[in-house]
Amino acid sequence: DADVTQTPRNRITKTGKRIMLECSQTKGHDRMYWYRQDPGLGLRLIYYSFDVKDINKGEISDGYSVSRQAQAKFSLSLESAIPNQTALYFCATSTTGTSGTLRTDTQYFGPGTRLTVL
Amino acid sequence: RKEVEQDPGPFNVPEGATVAFNCTYSNSASQSFFWYRQDCRKEPKLLMSVYSSGNEDGRFTAQLNRASQYISLLIRDSKLSDSATYLCVVYTGRRALTFGSGTRLQVQP
Repeated sequence: DADVTQTPRNRITKTGKRIMLECSQTKGHDRMYWYRQDPGLGLRLIYYSFDVKDINKGEISDGYSVSRQAQAKFSLSLESAIPNQTALYFCATSTTGTSGTLRTDTQYFGPGTRLTVL
Repeated sequence: RKEVEQDPGPFNVPEGATVAFNCTYSNSASQSFFWYRQDCRKEPKLLMSVYSSGNEDGRFTAQLNRASQYISLLIRDSKLSDSATYLCVVYTGRRALTFGSGTRLQVQP
């Protein structure tokens, strides 16, 4: 079984609809993230959570909200979807560590959700 | 200026060729550096970390130049299976990783 799962894998919705994307992980990591990926723009961070009570906005949080229901679950909501939110959405988890004197962070991604807003 | 910049490519190379990708980053406080690989329509996966002294993993060699804020990835003896997008990734020790937009590699038979 995959360590990081996302549901749904594909979704087509209409402008103005509320939609929720869900992410679950079995890796036991405290940190979870939501990214969106658009052609030519790479991965952009929407929200991140370092534990259940710690939720932070990323660089493109407008129009999105999140909920960390448990250590293993992190959901992303689009309250009123618009066409420019059409993208590939990835959830990720991470664990921090050290490499010599440097802190490091390895992220593990879910398979992605392809969202189309018409 | 983007925090992490990469040449988007595509790099079209024959099997067996050596190919190099470059990446620059703007934050001099960046602590850790990585290359991730992303196959078409799939999730990114860690390829290798990049250490100050340079490091090698089989056919892959990563180099870091902190003075020039520059990271490179060299792939020797390219295989068809190396065809993918390679993401340069930087960690500044706060919030999360910063991803470049990726360099696409197409290895041709």
